[in-house]
Amino acid sequence: GAGVSQSPRYKVAKRGQDVALRCDPISGHVSLFWYQQALGQGPEFLTYFQNEAQLDKSGLPSDRFFAERPEGSVSTLKIQRTQQEDSAVYLCASSARTSAKTQYFGPGTRLLVL
Amino acid sequence: AQSVTQLGSHVSVSEGALVLLRCNYSSSVPPYLFWYVQYPNQGLQLLLKYTSAATLVKGINGFEAEFKKSETSFHLTKPSAHMSDAAEYFCAVSDRSGNTPLVFGKGTRLSVIA
Repeated sequence: GAGVSQSPRYKVAKRGQDVALRCDPISGHVSLFWYQQALGQGPEFLTYFQNEAQLDKSGLPSDRFFAERPEGSVSTLKIQRTQQEDSAVYLCASSARTSAKTQYFGPGTRLLVL
Repeated sequence: AQSVTQLGSHVSVSEGALVLLRCNYSSSVPPYLFWYVQYPNQGLQLLLKYTSAATLVKGINGFEAEFKKSETSFHLTKPSAHMSDAAEYFCAVSDRSGNTPLVFGKGTRLSVIA
């Protein structure tokens, strides 16, 4: 079956631009996670949804970062007024309710802010 | 708070040699533990996971890991390295209270020399 998909795969933005990153989770997965992976580092948690409810947003680095999942399926991570330090790979993962915590990752969106 | 330490940011082995990638965790109670592999420009793929069943866990591509509570370790091994094993490997931990974010180590890059 189809895995987690993300779009765009690559995004170049000028400093100060707004960007929107999309995640399509595996069909039926209720949990959705966003992670940020800086160059040469492990992924770091940003935010977590269960269905449409955002249960944890403690990892969002600033109020310029906003995520939504209005219908409990597709999610969008929005970054306003991008800064150079936002350059990273943004990974989305989904998990089924009873899958013993296994998270399935998408290919990521590589964001470069110039 | 949970944390993961991966000793060695880069490991190089000869083709056919033993692969050993080290992971130590910090957690107040035995957590769930995971190893993920990341190939260039791709997302994370689950290799194996420990969720309190057998302490020796077998995964895909001939990898296995052993959970040692006394040593707070979850090292990844493979008896014989293949060229296709060259990738970045991440150890991750999560607690058991529902779907919670993964906490990743910084990763170990495995090189395989012909």
